[in-house]
Amino acid sequence: EAGVAQSPRYKIIEKRQSVAFWCNPISGHATLYWYQQILGQGPKLLIQFQNNGVVDDSQLPKDRFSAERLKGVDSTLKIQPAKLEDSAVYLCASSPFGVGETQYFGPGTRLLVL
Amino acid sequence: AQSVTQLDSHVSVSEGTPVLLRCNYSSSYSPSLFWYVQHPNKGLQLLLKYTSAATLVKGINGFEAEFKKSETSFHLTKPSAHMSDAAEYFCVVSVRNNNDMRFGAGTRLTVKP
Repeated sequence: EAGVAQSPRYKIIEKRQSVAFWCNPISGHATLYWYQQILGQGPKLLIQFQNNGVVDDSQLPKDRFSAERLKGVDSTLKIQPAKLEDSAVYLCASSPFGVGETQYFGPGTRLLVL
Repeated sequence: AQSVTQLDSHVSVSEGTPVLLRCNYSSSYSPSLFWYVQHPNKGLQLLLKYTSAATLVKGINGFEAEFKKSETSFHLTKPSAHMSDAAEYFCVVSVRNNNDMRFGAGTRLTVKP
């Protein structure tokens, strides 16, 4: 089966610009996650969707980050405006049901904010 | 809330020698515990997981981990390291009933020839 797809793989922007990342989870997976992984740290959960509803967005900086999962399949994560500290790898993962299940990760999008 | 601590940020072993990556967790509920591996420029890959069945869990590539509730530990081991094992390893704790999944800071494994 196809894995989790993410695009773009790399992105370089200047601070205060906006950027969007796309994720296509494994077919049939109900739960989708976005993580932020800063260099030298473990991934930090930003938001979790169950189908097209938000389950947990407690660690999402809502003043600049937004995410949606239309029709319960693909998802987009947006940053507007970007700050230097947003430089990180943004990982998308999916699982069949929810937390406690194995998550399958995409290759990530590496963002550099100058 | 739950948390996970990986006790070593960097472990270096010689090829053919045993690997031990240490992980301690804290959780108010019965946790699920995972080990993921991340090779450079690749996505995270599941090595193994514990979900309240057998306390000794076998994973891919010869890795295994033992859940010790009394010590709140879930250490990852492998009898004999291979050069291809060089990567970043993450211990993860999750609890189903509060939708919380926490990654450790990671342990970088270096394998010397």
